[in-house]
Amino acid sequence: EIVMTQSPATLSLSPGERATLSCRASQSVSSSLAWYQQKPGQAPRLLIYGASTRATGIPARISGSGSGTEFTLTISSLQSEDFAFYYCQQYHDWPPYTFGQGTKLEIK
Amino acid sequence: QVQLQESGPGLVRSSETLSLTCTVSGGSVSTYYWSWIRQPPGKGLEWIGYVYYTGSTFYNPSLKSRVAILVDTSKNQFSLKLSSVTAADTAVYYCARGLRENILVGDYMDVWGKGTTVTVSS
Repeated sequence: EIVMTQSPATLSLSPGERATLSCRASQSVSSSLAWYQQKPGQAPRLLIYGASTRATGIPARISGSGSGTEFTLTISSLQSEDFAFYYCQQYHDWPPYTFGQGTKLEIK
Repeated sequence: QVQLQESGPGLVRSSETLSLTCTVSGGSVSTYYWSWIRQPPGKGLEWIGYVYYTGSTFYNPSLKSRVAILVDTSKNQFSLKLSSVTAADTAVYYCARGLRENILVGDYMDVWGKGTTVTVSS
């Protein structure tokens, strides 16, 4: 099973600042990596797939990068609606698909 | 646009079988891969398994002995059965649609249901 590790667990930033979230895989997942955003009481929403392709309707301030074992989700200028939990998921090797434990992006 | 809706009992007794259904609207279940994912209170996401419209399945090895996912193309639904439940199975259960970039890799989930809370009571 591929273990996904996200860091930091909590990121405290102010609106307008740049956010950098990390996701590391225990072995290479090539570019088979997705990012999701989840707000309290809501289902996850797909942000990024293929490590760097934005899903439909996702704003350009949100971007993904990386390949192999190291991945980054960047939000260039935080808006109020960006404060949420973020999860990465690998779909390179299954079963199972595996998720990271999540990063909480909170308002400083 | 495709929408998913989970349904089923919100309370299940310990040692019994949890049964949930996901109804697909605005699209057909007869394509794509259809997954169940759960989230215990205050915790992260765990993939349970998926079914393809042909009926083929893949399950999380940690749950494989207790889980069955079925598809009913006539009703445009797929379902989850989890047997011998314990308090550790208390979670929000989501159904989701999986998309594949190519035949060599698995799925990312592009459409999710709103989720349904299942509590296992003793």
